Amino acid sequence: GQQLNQSPQSMFIQEGEDVSMNCTSSSIFNTWLWYKQDPGEGPVLLIALYKAGELTSNGRLTAQFGITRKDSFLNISASIPSDVGIYFCAGPPYGNKLVFGAGTILRVKS
Amino acid sequence: GAVVSQHPSRVICKSGTSVKIECRSLDFQATTMFWYRQFPKQSLMLMATSNEGSKATYEQGVEKDKFLINHASLTLSTLTVTSAHPEDSSFYICSARLGGRDGYGYTFGSGTRLTVV
Repeated sequence: GQQLNQSPQSMFIQEGEDVSMNCTSSSIFNTWLWYKQDPGEGPVLLIALYKAGELTSNGRLTAQFGITRKDSFLNISASIPSDVGIYFCAGPPYGNKLVFGAGTILRVKS
Repeated sequence: GAVVSQHPSRVICKSGTSVKIECRSLDFQATTMFWYRQFPKQSLMLMATSNEGSKATYEQGVEKDKFLINHASLTLSTLTVTSAHPEDSSFYICSARLGGRDGYGYTFGSGTRLTVV
């Protein structure tokens, strides 16, 4: 089945710093999704990518669909304390199912 | 936007008892809902796909007799953890697909923290 490798596993950064995380897949994807999960909550969609090479922004967040279609990255610029949480990449539905990466735990020092 | 309501948010039960978790799509109809389980600091693992009016489809390794899923209407799916044991303690999350483009179609509930004592 499809496998997603997400890195880094965790990050502890200073407020104001930029953050970068990425996911790679064992197979070609047609869609990349990035979610954020706050403690005790369900995931919330941040950015969806549909085409190889696509670069999409959502406020301070920017995500790109890798040209090989096997990877994607998410950047957060000028991090703030409320960026704390777990960030997940997710693969495209095959059948109807999403496949999630292992997650990147982000902690921000103010 | 599409909202999925999950209830309860937290539940504590005794070993051997059963617990029901509800997942409702508030402003749309969902023929398909998904149930995930998440252990601390781990990713979401799909347990089963709930299909309105038919049997749920369970992922490999998930006991269908232990995790009973009922999707009797287009807006409600329930997950019942039967004869709960401490190892069933986890965070359970439901999701529904609104339709349209893949990414924007999936909406998640706020999760249920189950603790079995």
